[in-house]
Amino acid sequence: DAGVIQSPRHEVTEMGQEVTLRCKPISGHNSLFWYRQTMMRGLELLIYFNNNVPIDDSGMPEDRFSAKMPNASFSTLKIQPSEPRDSAVYFCASSLDRRGGSSYNEQFFGPGTRLTVL
Amino acid sequence: AQSVTQPDIHITVSEGASLELRCNYSYGATPYLFWYVQSPGQGLQLLLKYFSGDTLVQGIKGFEAEFKRSQSSFNLRKPSVHWSDAAEYFCAVGAVGGNKLVFGAGTILRVKS
Repeated sequence: DAGVIQSPRHEVTEMGQEVTLRCKPISGHNSLFWYRQTMMRGLELLIYFNNNVPIDDSGMPEDRFSAKMPNASFSTLKIQPSEPRDSAVYFCASSLDRRGGSSYNEQFFGPGTRLTVL
Repeated sequence: AQSVTQPDIHITVSEGASLELRCNYSYGATPYLFWYVQSPGQGLQLLLKYFSGDTLVQGIKGFEAEFKRSQSSFNLRKPSVHWSDAAEYFCAVGAVGGNKLVFGAGTILRVKS
């Protein structure tokens, strides 16, 4: 199994530029999560999708951030325009949502994208 | 709302010594509890989880954790630490049947030889 794939692994851009981060979840998983990790705020959930539909985007910081999941095997997180305070590591995670019973949904994390906005 | 507190930001232990990382959670019902480990430059890997049954759970890499409802705690332990255990450890809480996890701030473990 290839695991969760994220690209690029590192991104350096200038303030005001558009940034697009990409994620390919584990095949068969139906939930996808975007997290941001910073020293100051730790690991924060930005948004998550279930069956390609955004379920909770309450963690998205502001309108500059948007996320899409056009199909079950691909998601993007876009920042436009980017600002230095967006510098962070962005993680994508996926899980298989087994509804009902006492199941839990283990999240599998990708390696992250380290974003630096100058 | 769920919350997780990891009181120790950094911990340093000698190789071969025992380890305990603290985690306290706040949640109105029986939670799902997790410990993840993050090595430098890597994503998070699940060490172990608790959602019912035996309150002492075993995980990978020789780690174990004990759920204590009366103390709202889920501390991670290892009897003998190896240098390769140096990493950042995150405790997380999730709602039963839910999808979202709330993570603690993490504890950075340093292992000295």
